[in-house]
Amino acid sequence: AQSVTQLGSHVSVSEGALVLLRCNYSSSVPPYLFWYVQYPNQGLQLLLKYTSAATLVKGINGFEAEFKKSETSFHLTKPSAHMSDAAEYFCAVNLIQGAQKLVFGQGTRLTINP
Amino acid sequence: DGGITQSPKYLFRKEGQNVTLSCEQNLNHDAMYWYRQDPGQGLRLIYYSQIVNDFQKGDIAEGYSVSREKKESFPLTVTSAQKNPTAFYLCASSIYGGTNEKLFFGSGTQLSVL
Repeated sequence: AQSVTQLGSHVSVSEGALVLLRCNYSSSVPPYLFWYVQYPNQGLQLLLKYTSAATLVKGINGFEAEFKKSETSFHLTKPSAHMSDAAEYFCAVNLIQGAQKLVFGQGTRLTINP
Repeated sequence: DGGITQSPKYLFRKEGQNVTLSCEQNLNHDAMYWYRQDPGQGLRLIYYSQIVNDFQKGDIAEGYSVSREKKESFPLTVTSAQKNPTAFYLCASSIYGGTNEKLFFGSGTQLSVL
């Protein structure tokens, strides 16, 4: 069975500091990996996705993530946090060929301190 | 503007009552999905449909029903058999339902029990 674990349900950083949100997955086959962001009382928006073309994936709003097969990880980073980055972030994995059946992590709420 | 519209934004259910959540999209997407979001648990797939007049159960389909009579519409009924219906419900769509496609989300419906 596939699963996704996000380490830390809450992360707090200062404005301008590095953002690091952790995601580990379990899989015996190459996965498709995604990061989505959810602002309060809204749906989710895609930040970026890994589809085996490159291990370092750049997304919107200055975020990027690196796929590390040896560590089964897909951590999300941003060099300098902005107040507008405050939101909930979800890592998701899809192993099913021919269907979009995402398994989501439990989410990490990011707080930015001024 | 193209997008996904969910209504109502807030919904209250009485004991023994069925309620229906609306989801409409004008993106001309083939695939549509319903997710349930509970605090600290991420999103879980209820039902999905890759084509009109066909749909598949997700991981937590018990107590829910759907229909897909039109490409642009995918309503979700929460039946009285769902004993714990209080949650945030998100509808999503993608172009074909392929493995690595981006999901487009609506802004959600918060369902509560009176």
